[in-house]
Amino acid sequence: DAGITQSPRHKVTETGTPVTLRCHQTENHRYMYWYRQDPGHGLRLIHYSYGVKDTDKGEVSDGYSVSRSKTEDFLLTLESATSSQTSVYFCAITARISDEQYFGPGTRLTVT
Amino acid sequence: GESVGLHLPTLSVQEGDNSIINCAYSNSASDYFIWYKQESGKGPQFIIDIRSNMDKRQGQRVTVLLNKTVKHLSLQIAATQPGDSAVYFCAESQMNRDDKIIFGKGTRLHILP
Repeated sequence: DAGITQSPRHKVTETGTPVTLRCHQTENHRYMYWYRQDPGHGLRLIHYSYGVKDTDKGEVSDGYSVSRSKTEDFLLTLESATSSQTSVYFCAITARISDEQYFGPGTRLTVT
Repeated sequence: GESVGLHLPTLSVQEGDNSIINCAYSNSASDYFIWYKQESGKGPQFIIDIRSNMDKRQGQRVTVLLNKTVKHLSLQIAATQPGDSAVYFCAESQMNRDDKIIFGKGTRLHILP
């Protein structure tokens, strides 16, 4: 997994609760990404980061926020989880934004 | 690991035969293309890439072909093995603009014994 870990790997939570997913990398790469993967949609970019404290929105950013206080950690927060956010979430890293990405193992989130 | 029950196009290939997975990309300005493989329960993994100044690139048992005229990309896998069973994604980007990678929706490769 190219030095990328995600935690937790599985989570079940109730609608309306806050949830934070963590991505940790040991490669010192500048760029980090959060994707969600759903049937019929493939990988969709939620947010990405191009450095410490530098983040930007992706295609499906509504309902999500991110933070990057250290190069190695990129956090994805669902402030108030909804059932539509039930998905598999993948973190990815790359040295340059347009280069091939290396993905983490994923987190399966179920919102009941 | 994690997996997603994707409702994807499926290609079924006999073990030992060659597989060809196709992808149509959307942006004529894209100049860098990547194929990823996603096995059940895992995140996508890089397989091979190609830049727009090439029309063919070979790796170990894999070949990527690029036809810029019709915006078409293909991945050929020689002598398909059970371990090739996975979902395959193509992706595109514009290196000069340093744009983000855009992923296709994927094709499931199913290996018949």
